[in-house]
Amino acid sequence: GDSVTQMEGPVTLSEEAFLTINCTYTATGYPSLFWYVQYPGEGLQLLLKATKADDKGSNKGFEATYRKETTSFHLEKGSVQVSDSAVYFCALGGGSNYKLTFGKGTLLTVNP
Amino acid sequence: DSGVTQTPKHLITATGQRVTLRCSPRSGDLSVYWYQQSLDQGLQFLIQYYNGEERAKGNILERFSAQQFPDLHSELNLSSLELGDSALYFCASSVEPHGGRSGDTQYFGPGTRLTVL
Repeated sequence: GDSVTQMEGPVTLSEEAFLTINCTYTATGYPSLFWYVQYPGEGLQLLLKATKADDKGSNKGFEATYRKETTSFHLEKGSVQVSDSAVYFCALGGGSNYKLTFGKGTLLTVNP
Repeated sequence: DSGVTQTPKHLITATGQRVTLRCSPRSGDLSVYWYQQSLDQGLQFLIQYYNGEERAKGNILERFSAQQFPDLHSELNLSSLELGDSALYFCASSVEPHGGRSGDTQYFGPGTRLTVL
């Protein structure tokens, strides 16, 4: 079945550091890939998405490229801020079924 | 604000009881999804409705049921509650029924935190 594996956290960075959160997937068919962010005490918000191979999703300085050859969708940001502290979820949609399959989430803490 | 509303925000109840969680999707969205978030299982898909009809089922227990009403709001009913049912329950909505296929985006509500004592 479909699955998503993302790097274990927690990740702790200093402000302005470079961020990478790795995400790889297994799916049948042609899934879409998503990154969601969950701030403390809140629901999930869509951060970015990509619907086909080589697509790059971007939003608020975050980027991720859909790599079919390596089945990956790594999240990157060049310079993190304290306000980026949250849990980040990689998700796969529309593989073999009609649901989102989530990774376990990565807690990011950015210190000033 | 995603436009998806969920009530109540918090719910505390006892084992063996029954509760109902309510979700109103974004205006214009026909699909509603329910997810359970717990520390040990992570985010798990429970069930999807599209325009009043059940569309897909995930890891939903037989003690749980859901429905979507003509005004498109949805309710998740949890019965014979056990300690292990304590979790955050999220509702999400989307325009299409595809659950993420072709980039169909799901918008999440703020969740209902259920505590079973």
